[in-house]
Amino acid sequence: GENVEQHPSTLSVQEGDSAVIKCTYSDSASNYFPWYKQELGKRPQLIIDIRSNVGEKKDQRIAVTLNKTAKHFSLHITETQPEDSAVYFCAAPTSGTYKYIFGTGTRLKVLA
Amino acid sequence: SAVISQKPSRDICQRGTSLTIQCQVDSQVTMMFWYRQQPGQSLTLIATANQGSEATYESGFVIDKFPISRPNLTFSTLTVSNMSPEDSSIYLCSTGQGPFNEQYFGPGTRLTVT
Repeated sequence: GENVEQHPSTLSVQEGDSAVIKCTYSDSASNYFPWYKQELGKRPQLIIDIRSNVGEKKDQRIAVTLNKTAKHFSLHITETQPEDSAVYFCAAPTSGTYKYIFGTGTRLKVLA
Repeated sequence: SAVISQKPSRDICQRGTSLTIQCQVDSQVTMMFWYRQQPGQSLTLIATANQGSEATYESGFVIDKFPISRPNLTFSTLTVSNMSPEDSSIYLCSTGQGPFNEQYFGPGTRLTVT
């Protein structure tokens, strides 16, 4: 089955700097990779996703890149702001099913 | 995406008792799921709530402990039975929507067992 590893577990950046979070997956048949943001006490929110036929996707200050050969995908946040502080989770589908495996999470702290 | 609500939002329960959590969606959805998120941890799938049939449980979770109902396409319940302090967690329902069964989450139920 699918295995998802996420790094780093914590990340502190200065406001305005960039942040990068990386996930690796094991199942080469996985074809869709979402990223979730979870603020303290709130539900996980889908913020961006990428399909396996695309190498990169951008949405304003956030972007996701996918390297299918290496089986990893990354979340990039540019010009970070204090409101970007949250826990971020990647996920990947279990091959042949409708179920998702979530990464262990990255706690991002943006320092003002 | 569908609007998802959960009740209760939080509860404090005595060990040995049971709590039923409700999940309501504002439109019909085929797939509904229940997750557990222990303090400071990631999301772990408990089961898939199937409409009209028994839920499908993940490894480590059993029906006697976590009975699930799915009477229609907009509603599901999860019961946490015979609770112990180890059951203290956030329980989240989600729906699967779109071509990739994208997961959208309810606000969660924060359960504390004393």
